[in-house]
Amino acid sequence: AQSVTQLGSHVSVSEGALVLLRCNYSSSVPPYLFWYVQYPNQGLQLLLKYTSAATLVKGINGFEAEFKKSETSFHLTKPSAHMSDAAEYFCAVSVMNYGGSQGNLIFGKGTKLSVKP
Amino acid sequence: GAGVSQSPRYKVAKRGQDVALRCDPISGHVSLFWYQQALGQGPEFLTYFQNEAQLDKSGLPSDRFFAERPEGSVSTLKIQRTQQEDSAVYLCASSYGGRSSGNTIYFGEGSWLTVV
Repeated sequence: AQSVTQLGSHVSVSEGALVLLRCNYSSSVPPYLFWYVQYPNQGLQLLLKYTSAATLVKGINGFEAEFKKSETSFHLTKPSAHMSDAAEYFCAVSVMNYGGSQGNLIFGKGTKLSVKP
Repeated sequence: GAGVSQSPRYKVAKRGQDVALRCDPISGHVSLFWYQQALGQGPEFLTYFQNEAQLDKSGLPSDRFFAERPEGSVSTLKIQRTQQEDSAVYLCASSYGGRSSGNTIYFGEGSWLTVV
């Protein structure tokens, strides 16, 4: 079975500082990995996804994530935080071409990012 | 439409009342998902449709939950005899291909259900 663990339910950074949101996954088969962002009272918006191509994935709004199989990690980073980045971020895993719940997204519990001026 | 549309956005139901939540997926999208997001939690899978066929309902928490997509476009999630633990945001999502295709899954803004 697949699962996702997001370390830190709350992360606070200063504007202009590095953003690092941690995600570790568990999967018995090669996973697809995703980061979604959720602004207050809104749905989920895809930031980026890893689907077994390049291990360093670039997404929208300057975010990127690196797939590290040896560490079973897919951490999200952004070099310089902006006030508009304040939101909740969800890491998710899915497995393609696998029996049962193939293709369903399995989400972590989320990390709320605060950006201080 | 331009995105996944859900209605109502907010619903307050009395315990025991039946509710129906509607989802309009992006036009032409084959796959449709329903997720439940409790306060402070990540979304959890409820059910999946490919066109009009409900291929996976493994996440529905009880037989009080029922979903349909009769013509392969609009979907309705129905909750009978609502209970307080049903209070959550119900998210609908759609994608162009089948769920194993790796296509991007687009989410609606959710229907916020509060059971009092």
